Amino acid sequence: NAGVMQNPRHLVRRRGQEARLRCSPMKGHSHVYWYRQLPEEGLKFMVYLQKENIIDESGMPKERFSAEFPKEGPSILRIQQVVRGDSAAYFCASSPQPGYQPQHFGDGTRLSIL
Amino acid sequence: QKEVEQDPGPLSVPEGAIVSLNCTYSNSAFQYFMWYRQYSRKGPELLMYTYSSGNKEDGRFTAQVDKSSKYISLFIRDSQPSDSATYLCATDTLIAGGTSYGKLTFGQGTILTVHP
Repeated sequence: NAGVMQNPRHLVRRRGQEARLRCSPMKGHSHVYWYRQLPEEGLKFMVYLQKENIIDESGMPKERFSAEFPKEGPSILRIQQVVRGDSAAYFCASSPQPGYQPQHFGDGTRLSIL
Repeated sequence: QKEVEQDPGPLSVPEGAIVSLNCTYSNSAFQYFMWYRQYSRKGPELLMYTYSSGNKEDGRFTAQVDKSSKYISLFIRDSQPSDSATYLCATDTLIAGGTSYGKLTFGQGTILTVHP
């Protein structure tokens, strides 16, 4: 029973490049959440998606960041024109449905900006 | 003021000790409470969750919620070196129908070390 899979585990980009982070939810889970963890800080909510829909993107920066969860394939968090401040660990979580079904997390993608 | 406050520690205890980890929250809309454990370079792992005041026990772990004082706790009995990790409390809101919204608000995390 595979858990939430994130790839790549580590990603290095130069300032101005694009970063694409992928998340495959657990089997049977149709709800995906992205969180960012900065050094010495807790996890911060970024965006909540269901298949083909963005439900809540209130935690996502208005510029350069976007997310999608297509009908087929993994969820993608995309960061355009990366800056040093984007360096962080990005975690994806999934759940079968909201409710008494807690979220299960992947092991994250650690993004480093040179 | 952060919506969920958690003492980052670090906390160091001897093997076999009882560990108490605590969080306070300010938003009365938070009605769903979770504790996660995070090992270095890994994702958070769910330990326990509850939505009611009182105690919930699972093996060596007990989660306690006091909604009147907006205080949540995790107790670890007979702590082991393998319990050394960062412990994160998290909260969520309940929406109509008694379901949780899914937008978790986390505390900063408490770093725990259990030494042999």
